[in-house]
Amino acid sequence: DTAVSQTPKYLVTQMGNDKSIKCEQNLGHDTMYWYKQDSKKFLKIMFSYNNKELIINETVPNRFSPKSPDKAHLNLHINSLELGDSAVYFCASSQGQTVGGFTDTQYFGPGTRLTVL
Amino acid sequence: AQSVTQLGSHVSVSEGALVLLRCNYSSSVPPYLFWYVQYPNQGLQLLLKYTSAATLVKGINGFEAEFKKSETSFHLTKPSAHMSDAAEYFCAVSGSSGGYQKVTFGTGTKLQVIP
Repeated sequence: DTAVSQTPKYLVTQMGNDKSIKCEQNLGHDTMYWYKQDSKKFLKIMFSYNNKELIINETVPNRFSPKSPDKAHLNLHINSLELGDSAVYFCASSQGQTVGGFTDTQYFGPGTRLTVL
Repeated sequence: AQSVTQLGSHVSVSEGALVLLRCNYSSSVPPYLFWYVQYPNQGLQLLLKYTSAATLVKGINGFEAEFKKSETSFHLTKPSAHMSDAAEYFCAVSGSSGGYQKVTFGTGTKLQVIP
């Protein structure tokens, strides 16, 4: 009964390849996120979706394309992978985005460790 | 722009000693502040959060944090460290991005507990 799950857990690939990471939450939450954690543990938001609609899009190369087929799923596709994309990618979800409500707890998945060779 | 600063990327304490992890924030009023913990090879999980209801916030596993507006601080404490507390701790502040919640995390503090 995992709340936020990600697949795969590990991803090792060559530079230039295209890869996808999948995320699913069974908490009934409206909002989902992608975060990137670098080797120094710095955690930075990449994207946020609310009910399948993109609401936050940080300065991320357009090689990264999120897709939300429904509010329980948020996938991340990365084209033309580069060495600097190596990191741990976390999916997260929160209950809902009522405008003005900023106290939601974020529930994180276990992470996907991406290594680009 | 909202931000948090965590003083000390590494903190070592002896088992049974006081744990103090420091966090200072910069945010528009009111700030909504969080502490998350990350155990090795896992995602983050919430320890506690400040939502302006009370300045002393109690969380899970015996942790608590006190919001001090005059010092713009939200330090995390635990009276007696346990070996299982060894982890990475993140302070975070929540604010608005186009009317939606955006959480900004600090750079993290790695807590080492020495037996």
